[in-house]
Amino acid sequence: DTAVSQTPKYLVTQMGNDKSIKCEQNLGHDTMYWYKQDSKKFLKIMFSYNNKELIINETVPNRFSPKSPDKAHLNLHINSLELGDSAVYFCASSQGGTGAGGYTFGSGTRLTVV
Amino acid sequence: AQTVTQSQPEMSVQEAETVTLSCTYDTSESNYYLFWYKQPPSRQMILVIRQEAYKQQNATENRFSVNFQKAAKSFSLKISDSQLGDTAMYFCAFMKHERSSGSARQLTFGSGTQLTVLP
Repeated sequence: DTAVSQTPKYLVTQMGNDKSIKCEQNLGHDTMYWYKQDSKKFLKIMFSYNNKELIINETVPNRFSPKSPDKAHLNLHINSLELGDSAVYFCASSQGGTGAGGYTFGSGTRLTVV
Repeated sequence: AQTVTQSQPEMSVQEAETVTLSCTYDTSESNYYLFWYKQPPSRQMILVIRQEAYKQQNATENRFSVNFQKAAKSFSLKISDSQLGDTAMYFCAFMKHERSSGSARQLTFGSGTQLTVLP
C-alpha cells in the first residue's frame, strides 16, 4: 500500500563498510531522487533518475553510486563508509510533466556510521 | 541557481491560535512552483500546500493558507486554529517549471522552521 518505500529504516554500521539502501515506488512516477538530510535538518539533492537515466548528479563523493534497474526502483550503494556519511537519506518520486505535483517522499533511512 | 531562505529557525504558538511562517526565495525564473512540506518527529516528509507562480490566487488547504507575493519573492504559510499535531519542522521549497518530461524537477529547500504548538 505504501507509495514510496525505503529499506532499511535504520542502518548502523562501522566505518569502512559497504551498504545499500533500497527504494521502490508504486505510483507510476517516472522520476526518482535521493536527498540527504544532515544533522541540522538541511535537505540537499544527491541524484535524480528519469526513466532509468541519470539526470542530476550533484557534487557527491564517488563512493555513492545510485542504480536504477527500472523506473520503479532507485537504490543507493555506499562504499567505504565514513563518519560524515551519517545522516537521513530520503528517496522521493515525482510524476512526469511540469513538476507541479511536487514530490512523494519515502520515510527515510537513518544511517549511523560508528 | 535558486535559493530559499527561512529566517525563523524556531517558533511556537498556543493551541487554537494562528501562526505565520516566513519564506523568501531568489530566482530569475518567471514560472515556477512553491511548496510547504511538514516533517513531524516521525521523520516523514508530508506535502502541506503548493502554489503555482502564474496563479495570483493564494492557495488554501483547510487550516493552511499561503500569502504569495511574487514581486517580493515571498511565500509565507499561515496555520489557523493550530493543533498539537501541527508540531513539526516546516520546509519551504522551490521548483522550476519544466516543460520536458525528461528534465530534472529539482526541489530546492529552505533550512526549515521548527514549529511547536503549546497546549
